[in-house]
Amino acid sequence: GDSVTQMEGPVTLSEEAFLTINCTYTATGYPSLFWYVQYPGEGLQLLLKATKADDKGSNKGFEATYRKETTSFHLEKGSVQVSDSAVYFCALKDQGYSTLTFGKGTMLLVSP
Amino acid sequence: GAVVSQHPSWVICKSGTSVKIECRSLDFQATTMFWYRQFPKQSLMLMATSNEGSKATYEQGVEKDKFLINHASLTLSTLTVTSAHPEDSSFYICSAIAGNYNEQFFGPGTRLTVL
Repeated sequence: GDSVTQMEGPVTLSEEAFLTINCTYTATGYPSLFWYVQYPGEGLQLLLKATKADDKGSNKGFEATYRKETTSFHLEKGSVQVSDSAVYFCALKDQGYSTLTFGKGTMLLVSP
Repeated sequence: GAVVSQHPSWVICKSGTSVKIECRSLDFQATTMFWYRQFPKQSLMLMATSNEGSKATYEQGVEKDKFLINHASLTLSTLTVTSAHPEDSSFYICSAIAGNYNEQFFGPGTRLTVL
């Protein structure tokens, strides 16, 4: 079955540091890939997505590239801010299906 | 953008009572809605998928008689936790998709605490 593996957190960084959160997946076919962000006490918000190999999703300074050869979709940001502190979830959706498969989430803590 | 609301945002109830949580799509018609449960510091666990006008499809291990889901209209789905117990305390999140959209839109979640 499908699965998503994320690096365990928490990831602790100082403001303006470079961020990478690793995500790898296992799926049949050609899934769409997503990163969601969850701020404390809130639901999930879509951060970015990519629907085919080599696509790069980007939003709010975050980027992730769909790498089919390594089955990865790592999240990066060049300079994090305190307001980026949240839990980040990597997810996939198989073609033709509506359900999402989530990773376990990675907590990011950014200090001033 | 597509907005999904949940009500209430938090609820505290006594053991043995039933609690109803509403999930609404505010600016689109949701053909499919999903209900998730999230334990502290853990990922989202899909509980069930509901399509308007038909019975919900529950994931393995989810008690359908305990977690009643109704998707009576294209903008409203409800989750009723029947005879709630402390182990049902959790964060419940709904999401919705519209037509051919390739994206789920999530509600803000409902924190349920059963005493």
